[in-house]
Amino acid sequence: GAVVSQHPSRVICKSGTSVKIECRSLDFQATTMFWYRQFPKKSLMLMATSNEGSKATYEQGVEKDKFLINHASLTLSTLTVTSAHPEDSSFYICSARALGDYEQYFGPGTRLTVT
Amino acid sequence: AQKVTQAQTEISVVEKEDVTLDCVYETRDTTYYLFWYKQPPSGELVFLIRRNSFDEQNEISGRYSWNFQKSTSSFNFTITASQVVDSAVYFCALLYTGGFKTIFGAGTRLFVKA
Repeated sequence: GAVVSQHPSRVICKSGTSVKIECRSLDFQATTMFWYRQFPKKSLMLMATSNEGSKATYEQGVEKDKFLINHASLTLSTLTVTSAHPEDSSFYICSARALGDYEQYFGPGTRLTVT
Repeated sequence: AQKVTQAQTEISVVEKEDVTLDCVYETRDTTYYLFWYKQPPSGELVFLIRRNSFDEQNEISGRYSWNFQKSTSSFNFTITASQVVDSAVYFCALLYTGGFKTIFGAGTRLFVKA
């Protein structure tokens, strides 16, 4: 099956710093990538949808200036949490979908802790 | 509106018991897909099954079985003879083709005790 990787798997950063999370499709071209956020014991909440070469579409309530998403190639999307605060601590999961496919393949997630 | 409801927040069973996880969905789209995912403590989502709206056949895969009923907008998941390794959070999800987005239910946390 299709494989999606995320890096890093865990990251701890200090309040006020920025952190970048990478999402890569390893064996297929991902025309669309999705970023989800999951709080402890909660469901996955879609943050944004990004199509390769286009600006990301953010869900209501998600600050686009805080969560910068770049999808510059068909195999890589990045999520940058800018000026991170403790409330940004969460589990971030990406998923990727190929053109014409309804299936989306999930990455293993990145656990962000902001101290 | 698109919505997925998993009314059971937590279920606790003893090993070898059968358990059914409920999922009710709402969508106006005629073409949609339903999914079940397992999320063990490691956090990685494990894909279990996908069903499209035109295929109401029930499916069995080993100890897992799924019952899709469009008449009641339900897509329930049964684990037969549960095992401790089945302990996880299970999510039901809906992909509606109108928006090409996947909506997740709140999840059901399953505890299987030895």
